[in-house]
Amino acid sequence: GAGVSQSPRYKVAKRGQDVALRCDPISGHVSLFWYQQALGQGPEFLTYFQNEAQLDKSGLPSDRFFAERPEGSVSTLKIQRTQQEDSAVYLCASSFRDPGRTDTQYFGPGTRLTVL
Amino acid sequence: GQQLNQSPQSMFIQEGEDVSMNCTSSSIFNTWLWYKQDPGEGPVLLIALYKAGELTSNGRLTAQFGITRKDSFLNISASIPSDVGIYFCAGQLGSGGGADGLTFGKGTHLIIQP
Repeated sequence: GAGVSQSPRYKVAKRGQDVALRCDPISGHVSLFWYQQALGQGPEFLTYFQNEAQLDKSGLPSDRFFAERPEGSVSTLKIQRTQQEDSAVYLCASSFRDPGRTDTQYFGPGTRLTVL
Repeated sequence: GQQLNQSPQSMFIQEGEDVSMNCTSSSIFNTWLWYKQDPGEGPVLLIALYKAGELTSNGRLTAQFGITRKDSFLNISASIPSDVGIYFCAGQLGSGGGADGLTFGKGTHLIIQP
């Protein structure tokens, strides 16, 4: 497809388990973002990549959260030793990074993580 | 984390009515964006605003970037059933040329009664 895809769409984990969430950005998009959306809230920024470089990880809530984009395309968000408060929808977005003013972020459908 | 103050939280309106929602911030943003999110989907961009005072339309949608750069509003005219969903405002510190994370409001849940 032409849009941002994420997998899995749903993930149920027991507290303490590690999880890995995948994002496939739009082909050719340089920038990639991860957001966390708690129930009834707006998305909150987690981290940002430009190609393979992680330029901003200020939004990651703890050192249990780790993101990578080793080849500048697909990205993985990993959460270690999951806690119940990690339950949320994790959204990925990508943008072309036009030097002009059309740097629109296109969002994927999200992965809904439920930690029991 | 920081979130924008978006109101109202929810709206129950009749089909055909006009809708207005707004967003305020204690911080200045250089770009304001309005997104719509349907259940089980990611947010979809409706309107982007890049200049203080800018008024932009997209079909039945009109949005304005406040002159102080700390607020924005979105109007929807003659609402139709497919307008149902959650609308989010978002602010971005960059002017569009850079790529930085968005700061979102908590959303306005629009419900349309036939």
